Amino acid sequence: DAKTTQPPSMDCAEGRAANLPCNHSTISGNEYVYWYRQIHSQGPQYIIHGLKNNETNEMASLIITEDRKSSTLILPHATLRDTAVYYCIVKEGAQKLVFGQGTRLTINP
Amino acid sequence: DAGITQSPRHKVTETGTPVTLRCHQTENHRYMYWYRQDPGHGLRLIHYSYGVKDTDKGEVSDGYSVSRSKTEDFLLTLESATSSQTSVYFCAISEKREVIYEQYFGPGTRLTVT
Repeated sequence: DAKTTQPPSMDCAEGRAANLPCNHSTISGNEYVYWYRQIHSQGPQYIIHGLKNNETNEMASLIITEDRKSSTLILPHATLRDTAVYYCIVKEGAQKLVFGQGTRLTINP
Repeated sequence: DAGITQSPRHKVTETGTPVTLRCHQTENHRYMYWYRQDPGHGLRLIHYSYGVKDTDKGEVSDGYSVSRSKTEDFLLTLESATSSQTSVYFCAISEKREVIYEQYFGPGTRLTVT
């Protein structure tokens, strides 16, 4: 499974877009990019996934570079409730996810 | 929210005692997982199940056993609890959706072994 690299922490102002980067330079052709988040004391929550194309759902957008070596999760209008640890996971099948340290995102009022 | 419950939510036990954690789902999902979460380690997979009576080990399975006699229940047992098993335990479920297995997590069980 490809290894991912994320910044340990980020800050963002409430109402602004939060852009969370993830590097996965060893990703293989069949591996998907998944994003989960974990709000304090809760279980992780699935956000979005993608293979090659950019994806958008009600929670976020996922931008994957053309070479697929990096991606960015975008929360378009961050709120205080988006404060959480965000995990970028690269895996062919999501049956056995491997969670790294993630990025601790703090949304400031 | 996916119908996943974990019991107990909190437990304090003594070293050497057996402990069983329960995960119950109402989604009829095929796959179930047990993770533990510790500071500095993120979430680590302990065991998982791909059907009734079908289980396999994860990356940190030593000292743990699991059982799944019904689709809806996945039990994690610590035969003889040790202080190193003090952790927060999360259960997750998944079903194949298109080509991925989106996982849904339970609320967690905080276990303290004294």
